[in-house]
Amino acid sequence: GAVVSQHPSWVICKSGTSVKIECRSLDFQATTMFWYRQFPKQSLMLMATSNEGSKATYEQGVEKDKFLINHASLTLSTLTVTSAHPEDSSFYICSAPRGINSPLHFGNGTRLTVT
Amino acid sequence: QKEVEQDPGPLSVPEGAIVSLNCTYSNSAFQYFMWYRQYSRKGPELLMYTYSSGNKEDGRFTAQVDKSSKYISLFIRDSQPSDSATYLCAMLLGGYSTLTFGKGTMLLVSP
Repeated sequence: GAVVSQHPSWVICKSGTSVKIECRSLDFQATTMFWYRQFPKQSLMLMATSNEGSKATYEQGVEKDKFLINHASLTLSTLTVTSAHPEDSSFYICSAPRGINSPLHFGNGTRLTVT
Repeated sequence: QKEVEQDPGPLSVPEGAIVSLNCTYSNSAFQYFMWYRQYSRKGPELLMYTYSSGNKEDGRFTAQVDKSSKYISLFIRDSQPSDSATYLCAMLLGGYSTLTFGKGTMLLVSP
């Protein structure tokens, strides 16, 4: 069964509003989680690394003030898309490793549509 | 040269065929190798995870790693229409490093 849960699976919002996406590890503690973005028919693009108890690390070109990441507990990381615009419409996926040298387990993704 | 090369396909096969999916990589420091399956509008699902060179089998799936050639493969036996998806190879240096993905190969299995 799923080991990483992501919510919501689909959200539609108006331009200028903010949207929060939650990512939970279900049966393990995740000190590190990763947030990806995926455009249609393209591969996964890493946006940021979420670290429990400290600031997230953002990839080059990703606006940290636009994509706010909070990793407040060992089982929960959130991504907030602030002041969303239509170009932010995409598929956002979180992931977490069970431990060191472990593969990533992915959530089922969140499809964001900004109108 | 990209770190990981993967043919995007699509690869179309009839039901029951043996499918071979491949990736090459350039960084010899990669230690761990994975194959993920991604259905449309879903998150990637881990299929295989290997460390050493050689073969690893799980049901209809066999993962093969050749570190000397920097080449990994995924074989699917007796392919089914439900195998139609995008298959992503991924590699890990170690520790809590991020994965490096191939672009994914779209597989279409026709009944």
